[in-house]
Amino acid sequence: ETGVTQSPTHLIKTRGQQVTLRCSSQSGHNTVSWYQQALGQGPQFIFQYYREEENGRGNFPPRFSGLQFPNYSSELNVNALELDDSALYLCASSAPGQGSNTEAFFGQGTRLTVV
Amino acid sequence: GQQLNQSPQSMFIQEGEDVSMNCTSSSIFNTWLWYKQDPGEGPVLLIALYKAGELTSNGRLTAQFGITRKDSFLNISASIPSDVGIYFCAGQDYNQGGKLIFGQGTELSVKP
Repeated sequence: ETGVTQSPTHLIKTRGQQVTLRCSSQSGHNTVSWYQQALGQGPQFIFQYYREEENGRGNFPPRFSGLQFPNYSSELNVNALELDDSALYLCASSAPGQGSNTEAFFGQGTRLTVV
Repeated sequence: GQQLNQSPQSMFIQEGEDVSMNCTSSSIFNTWLWYKQDPGEGPVLLIALYKAGELTSNGRLTAQFGITRKDSFLNISASIPSDVGIYFCAGQDYNQGGKLIFGQGTELSVKP
């Protein structure tokens, strides 16, 4: 059983550019969530995708968008990058069961630096 | 909005000592999760709690879901150097789907 994998592991972009981060969910998991983790902070929820539809969104502007594909892999897109977007971006996959009990498993993250 | 207060922020202990950290919330959660994160890595799930009052162990780790559903604690017994890292609590509210709310983390340092 493969775990959650993210690519790339590190990325440097210039302010104003656009970036796409990728995530492959754990085998058997149909739900993917994305989190932003600033240095010294806990992860902050960006949004979640379930069966290719956005299923919940945190307090992030519309320039943060996502996709989920039929194989449950996912992309996070960020447009018009700002310096404050520099962070570790984490993808988590889960397989919701009865009552939404779910254990989320995280990938190793993508470290994005905006200069 | 929902907030989690995790304490302490950091701990410096001697190898072999026991450790305790806790999280409190301003609102009720249905699930509490505890994660450990090493530098440059993603969080790794340690323990998941699903019922108020539930006490669950995973090796030297023990965690409890508070009766009020607004708090949880994690204990580590007989600490070893590889316990070093940042520990996060996370709460989940079924009314908000799979969204996890994380604490600020407890940084644990273990002196051999």
